[in-house]
Amino acid sequence: DGGITQSPKYLFRKEGQNVTLSCEQNLNHDAMYWYRQDPGQGLRLIYYSQIVNDFQKGDIAEGYSVSREKKESFPLTVTSAQKNPTAFYLCASNDRAPNEKLFFGSGTQLSVL
Amino acid sequence: KQEVTQIPAALSVPEGENLVLNCSFTDSAIYNLQWFRQDPGKGLTSLLLIQSSQREQTSGRLNASLDKSSGRSTLYIAASQPGDSATYLCAPQYRDGKLTFGQGTILTVHP
Repeated sequence: DGGITQSPKYLFRKEGQNVTLSCEQNLNHDAMYWYRQDPGQGLRLIYYSQIVNDFQKGDIAEGYSVSREKKESFPLTVTSAQKNPTAFYLCASNDRAPNEKLFFGSGTQLSVL
Repeated sequence: KQEVTQIPAALSVPEGENLVLNCSFTDSAIYNLQWFRQDPGKGLTSLLLIQSSQREQTSGRLNASLDKSSGRSTLYIAASQPGDSATYLCAPQYRDGKLTFGQGTILTVHP
């Protein structure tokens, strides 16, 4: 089945630790996105990539880093510089062609110990 | 800054009612607009996508309309069912490819 796989489903971070969230897609999509969702709020864009080896900052990129070495993969690292990392993280992808629906993974809940 | 507002924030209705969810956006230079459904603790599922040149899209009991000039979109749900209970989010997409999300409407349909 085609889709987007996020792992792990739950992740705990100790203070000062960097953690990496995985996102893999087998939809052959060019564009991939990372969003953060806080309780009762809409999604906010962290980073996005429209092609391999290229990515851009979204609205809240500080304290996060990404890489796009393969078309299928877009991992997100939450660094120790992100002081309030507790949130639900969602990965998404779509084709770069106009008017293509956005597909989402099932999310990773990150909490601070 | 692009902003998206959804009204109401929450809605609780008995089964069978026809519903209207509203979405307004400040920047009308949109490429398209999508409506999504999110179940608790899950990812989002795209329900409908309306292109900027279109006025409405329909899928089953769902109908979405778009008035680009006034910066508004409406999602109609006909004959609501308990299985429709979820959070509904709208998101206009702009030419840079980015989507801006509203905070969502939490819908509860009780038997």
